[in-house]
Amino acid sequence: AQSVTQPDIHITVSEGASLELRCNYSYGATPYLFWYVQSPGQGLQLLLKYFSGDTLVQGIKGFEAEFKRSQSSFNLRKPSVHWSDAAEYFCAVGGTGGFKTIFGAGTRLFVKA
Amino acid sequence: DVKVTQSSRYLVKRTGEKVFLECVQDMDHENMFWYRQDPGLGLRLIYFSYDVKMKEKGDIPEGYSVSREKKERFSLILESASTNQTSMYLCASSSLLGAGNSPLHFGNGTRLTVT
Repeated sequence: AQSVTQPDIHITVSEGASLELRCNYSYGATPYLFWYVQSPGQGLQLLLKYFSGDTLVQGIKGFEAEFKRSQSSFNLRKPSVHWSDAAEYFCAVGGTGGFKTIFGAGTRLFVKA
Repeated sequence: DVKVTQSSRYLVKRTGEKVFLECVQDMDHENMFWYRQDPGLGLRLIYFSYDVKMKEKGDIPEGYSVSREKKERFSLILESASTNQTSMYLCASSSLLGAGNSPLHFGNGTRLTVT
């Protein structure tokens, strides 16, 4: 069955430090992969997406993610975290043929000064 | 930018009440979705719609229904609200590319409390 796993429920990072949020997926065909961010009291905003081509994709707010088919992973990274990055991050997988987007449980990021 | 507007940010309803959650999008998107968000569970799809007057069940449709009379508007209905429907409800829309391969545009959510 298709699924998305975000192993870390929450992560705390110091401001200015690098960040990596993990995402593993299970999907039978080539997946469409997404990362969304949700700030407190807000809906989800798309950070970046991978459909095909270059496996390293750039997104908004300085985020990037790398698709690794052999590991079924799509980890999100940022070289230097800002306090405003504190939010909840969701990895999601979609597909064709009417397949609907499935979301992971989310990782909440805390940023300490 | 796509704007998805949910009519209420907060709602408090009593058990047994009929509840309507309204969602409007302004980008002429074909697909619209209702999710509920609960801590530790991520987002779970309740219902979605590919076109006017069309609807499809998602993963957790029990206790809910939907209505899509106009392309821009997608309503979620709780026929008889129960306390286990206390949750954050998120509406989303996407373009014709397909339900699974097109990015979703979300509203800000409605936090519903059923007492």
